[in-house]
Amino acid sequence: GAVVSQHPSWVICKSGTSVKIECRSLDFQATTMFWYRQFPKQSLMLMATSNEGSKATYEQGVEKDKFLINHASLTLSTLTVTSAHPEDSSFYICSARRDITEAFFGQGTRLTVV
Amino acid sequence: TQLLEQSPQFLSIQEGENLTVYCNSSSVFSSLQWYRQEPGEGPVLLVTVVTGGEVKKLKRLTFQFGDARKDSSLHITAAQPGDTGLYLCAGRTQGGSEKLVFGKGTKLTVNP
Repeated sequence: GAVVSQHPSWVICKSGTSVKIECRSLDFQATTMFWYRQFPKQSLMLMATSNEGSKATYEQGVEKDKFLINHASLTLSTLTVTSAHPEDSSFYICSARRDITEAFFGQGTRLTVV
Repeated sequence: TQLLEQSPQFLSIQEGENLTVYCNSSSVFSSLQWYRQEPGEGPVLLVTVVTGGEVKKLKRLTFQFGDARKDSSLHITAAQPGDTGLYLCAGRTQGGSEKLVFGKGTKLTVNP
């Protein structure tokens, strides 16, 4: 399968600071990437769709000013959690679409805000 | 409302047993994927099914896409402890949507 790398795997930050998470497709170009959030023992919740060279499309209820997404190249999308608070602590996962039917996921980033 | 209903939500079985996980919807999907996720990691793609009635096999795993493309099943034969994980089905609705709709997942535990 295709390889999608997410970095960092885990991060602890202080309340009020910002955290950037990177998602890279290593062996294919991805015009579209997706960012998900997963709470313990729950399924994945789509936060936003990231399109290379254009603004991200956010799902209802997701604050675009808090979760900044940048998709500057065909292999890299970043999610920045701004002014993080403890309630933002979660498991964030990206996926990259290789073709019309298949998407591959990164290994996820565990964010803990203290 | 959940677009994709997965059942059972939890399943604990002994090594060597067979099991089936179901993914059902009232919507038609252009494609459907099955993923397995282990704690602290991202989902890993197992299979993609596209054609109604399609059956795909991956070693001891058999995936079936319903004729009407509204449902799917995953059957595991002679389960092993290494099969333990969260199994997620995800589908794309017709119309070329880019978004994957996920089921809530089936947490499978295979005891030695």
